[in-house]
Amino acid sequence: ELKVEQNPLFLSMQEGKNYTIYCNYSTTSDRLYWYRQDPGKSLESLFVLLSNGAVKQEGRLMASLDTKARLSTLHITAAVHDLSATYFCAAGYSGGGADGLTFGKGTHLIIQP
Amino acid sequence: NAGVTQTPKFRILKIGQSMTLQCAQDMNHNYMYWYRQDPGMGLKLIYYSVGAGITDKGEVPNGYNVSRSTTEDFPLRLELAAPSQTSVYFCASSGGLAGYNEQFFGPGTRLTVL
Repeated sequence: ELKVEQNPLFLSMQEGKNYTIYCNYSTTSDRLYWYRQDPGKSLESLFVLLSNGAVKQEGRLMASLDTKARLSTLHITAAVHDLSATYFCAAGYSGGGADGLTFGKGTHLIIQP
Repeated sequence: NAGVTQTPKFRILKIGQSMTLQCAQDMNHNYMYWYRQDPGMGLKLIYYSVGAGITDKGEVPNGYNVSRSTTEDFPLRLELAAPSQTSVYFCASSGGLAGYNEQFFGPGTRLTVL
C-alpha cells in the first residue's frame, strides 16, 4: 500500500525567508504531484514530476524528485504573503492503467509580514 | 472550456437518504476520479474510471457507487447516507494515453449528513 507523508504539517514563516517542505512515499512510484489549496477552494496543480532527478520551477517555488530516496521537496524562496495556502503532495500508483493519487495530509503554510 | 464542473456545491442530507453528485468535464479526458477530503486531511480516492463503461474501486469505495456512460460525465451515487460520509467531494479528470498527466479538479461539493 502506497503511503505518503509530508512534513512539516504546519509552518509559519516570515516574508523573505526560505523554506522546504518534504514529501516521502513508501513504495515505488515515479510520478509525484504538488498541489496548492486555498481555504474553501479546489486544488490547483503546481508541478508534475515524472522522472528521477526532475526539477521544476515556477516563480518562488521549486520542486524536485528523487525516486531512489522516495523523496520530493518543494522549496520556497523569499516567501511572500500570497504563497500562504495548504500544499499537498501526491504520489501516483498503477491500477488498471489509471493514475489515482495517494495524497499526503498537506502542509498548512502561513507567511507573515 | 469550463474544465471540470460539479453540482451541487452544497447539500445537507438526512441519515438514510440518497443522492447523486454530478461531475462533468469538457476536455475529452479519458480518466476521471472521485475523491473525498475530510477536515484537515488529504484527499482519498473513492472510485475512478479509465473510460466510458469502465470503473474501478479506489481506497474508500464503501457506501458509494459510480457509473460512466459517456466520456464527459462521471456521477457518484450515495445510497443510505451516513454521518461518516460528511465530507467535501472532489471530482477530477486527466488526459494522456496512460493518465500520467496532471489531474484537473472540480470546485467540490460540500456534503453534510445529519
